[in-house]
Amino acid sequence: EVQLVESGGGLVEPGRSLRLSCAASGFRFDAHAMHWVRHTPGKGLEWVSGITWNSGDIDYADSVKGRFTISRDNAKNSLFLQMNNLTPEDTALYYCARDKAAAGPGSLDYWGQGTLVTVSS
Amino acid sequence: QSVLTQPPSVSAAPGQRVTITCTGSSSNIGAGYDVHWYQHLPGAAPKLLIFDNTKRPSGVPDRFSGSKSGTSASLAITGLLAEDEADYYCQSYDNALSVSPFGTGTKLIVL
Repeated sequence: EVQLVESGGGLVEPGRSLRLSCAASGFRFDAHAMHWVRHTPGKGLEWVSGITWNSGDIDYADSVKGRFTISRDNAKNSLFLQMNNLTPEDTALYYCARDKAAAGPGSLDYWGQGTLVTVSS
Repeated sequence: QSVLTQPPSVSAAPGQRVTITCTGSSSNIGAGYDVHWYQHLPGAAPKLLIFDNTKRPSGVPDRFSGSKSGTSASLAITGLLAEDEADYYCQSYDNALSVSPFGTGTKLIVL
């Protein structure tokens, strides 16, 4: 069974950093691109970043470019999102999602349950 | 604002048919990139409903169908059920921005 479990969310002050993790199991992790997607009630779903199977191609939404860094460790079946210089606009539920394709961009066929990030003073 | 535009809401009675449109441009849908559709229920993770424009994942009822033409795509839902009330999002790839944006989202209201 495919499982994606996010962790690392929490309450953080503006300007601080947070690192999200996503533990994957039940499938061959290095055969899929992976993505981070966030959701807020006001904006809906927002694609944040994606990384190909071998980290050879990485994309970011303009809203996080230069502040967020996506990475993966195929040996540990893990996906990460380093978030720096956080602002209140980054407050959201962050999902880890699997791409059907190794090199992307494809559909996101499995999702975790999300980890909540709240940026507030 | 997303480069993929959807109507904010659509509504229909149980048993009826509804269509949700996703309008893009020549750098995303019009460039030939596939469109995918997701259903998002409150408190749940998004669920892939249609991939590669017209294909349904295993377990998705054939009441859901997708199509694509030019710079737009559509999701059709027939035989509406109360449980279909949710937010629906399209997604594609944009080669001008190098991003995989979601559409603006559509709330389906089952009357």
